[in-house]
Amino acid sequence: AQKVTQAQTEISVVEKEDVTLDCVYETRDTTYYLFWYKQPPSGELVFLIRRNSFDEQNEISGRYSWNFQKSTSSFNFTITASQVVDSAVYFCALSDTGTASKLTFGTGTRLQVTL
Amino acid sequence: EAQVTQNPRYLITVTGKKLTVTCSQNMNHEYMSWYRQDPGLGLRQIYYSMNVEVTDKGDVPEGYKVSRKEKRNFPLILESPSPNQTSLYFCASSLWVPGQGSYEQYFGPGTRLTVT
Repeated sequence: AQKVTQAQTEISVVEKEDVTLDCVYETRDTTYYLFWYKQPPSGELVFLIRRNSFDEQNEISGRYSWNFQKSTSSFNFTITASQVVDSAVYFCALSDTGTASKLTFGTGTRLQVTL
Repeated sequence: EAQVTQNPRYLITVTGKKLTVTCSQNMNHEYMSWYRQDPGLGLRQIYYSMNVEVTDKGDVPEGYKVSRKEKRNFPLILESPSPNQTSLYFCASSLWVPGQGSYEQYFGPGTRLTVT
């Protein structure tokens, strides 16, 4: 069975601090996909990134970066120089290539960025 | 504009009164699904559909029904709602290619349902 663990329930940082959100996953599949979604206070889910299991390159998009390490089954997300607008709940999710193609979500990490 | 729409956005109802939450997408996606979000549990899949007339259960299907008569629509039906179905519901759609897993899933804005 697939499982995604986001051990950090809530993180508070002061603006401009860097912050890393942890994600650890479990799957027996050799091919799988990892995702991060952002849920701002308004409630919608915003897609941030999709990564397949064969691509371990780290990715950077502006202030966002992702560190994928198969050896530790982790897909961590770092926000550099955090801003108040980054305040949201962040979900990590896992999908396999089976017929279900569903997303198995972690429980989310609430990030609070204050001035 | 590519989007997934859900209606209603907010609904307060009473136990046992049948309701339908509609979901529609304009991207011609084959794959659609419903999730519910509960505090401390993240999002869990209720039902999914890989194409017209093809639906299957997700992780928490009890108390829900779905149908997929048209590619663009995937309504969620609660025949006899109960208070434990109070939750935030999301519809999602994505391109799906067999053997290539889940592409980016586009989520609707959510429907907040309260059953009293």
